[in-house]
Amino acid sequence: DGGITQSPKYLFRKEGQNVTLSCEQNLNHDAMYWYRQDPGQGLRLIYYSQIVNDFQKGDIAEGYSVSREKKESFPLTVTSAQKNPTAFYLCASNTGDPVETQYFGPGTRLLVL
Amino acid sequence: RKEVEQDPGPFNVPEGATVAFNCTYSNSASQSFFWYRQDCRKEPKLLMSVYSSGNEDGRFTAQLNRASQYISLLIRDSKLSDSATYLCVVSAGGTSYGKLTFGQGTILTVHP
Repeated sequence: DGGITQSPKYLFRKEGQNVTLSCEQNLNHDAMYWYRQDPGQGLRLIYYSQIVNDFQKGDIAEGYSVSREKKESFPLTVTSAQKNPTAFYLCASNTGDPVETQYFGPGTRLLVL
Repeated sequence: RKEVEQDPGPFNVPEGATVAFNCTYSNSASQSFFWYRQDCRKEPKLLMSVYSSGNEDGRFTAQLNRASQYISLLIRDSKLSDSATYLCVVSAGGTSYGKLTFGQGTILTVHP
């Protein structure tokens, strides 16, 4: 089955700790995206990547970092600089065509201890 | 002003009712428009794309008015399973490569 997987489903972060969220897709999509969703709010774009070894900041990139070493993978690191990391993190992908919709993974819920 | 605005609701309707959601967007260069459905604690899933001529998919009808920068979703004969949050989504296209802008969502609860 083609799709997007995210792991873990739940993640707990201690103060001062960096954590990495995994996102993998086998849809052969060029473009991948990371969003954050807070309760009662829409999704906000953190980072996106149009092609391997290239990525761009979204609207709320501060405190986050990404890499795109492989087409299938786009991990997101939540660094200790992100002071309010508790949220639902969603990864998405598409072919990169600006008029095309995006397909989402099941999400990772990050909680701070 | 938010780029994409929706009435957050909640809308509480009985089974069989017809309900309409509206959405406005601020970027006149927007090229593509979508309605997504998001169930509680789940990822958003595409419900339907929205075309200038209007489009229908079973009980769901979407309309786009570019002049007024307005999008609507009509649900007829509501089912209990329609209960969810409905997200209005706009793509700027062009140099905003694949970037989607999401409204905050409209909560729908269908009751027996």
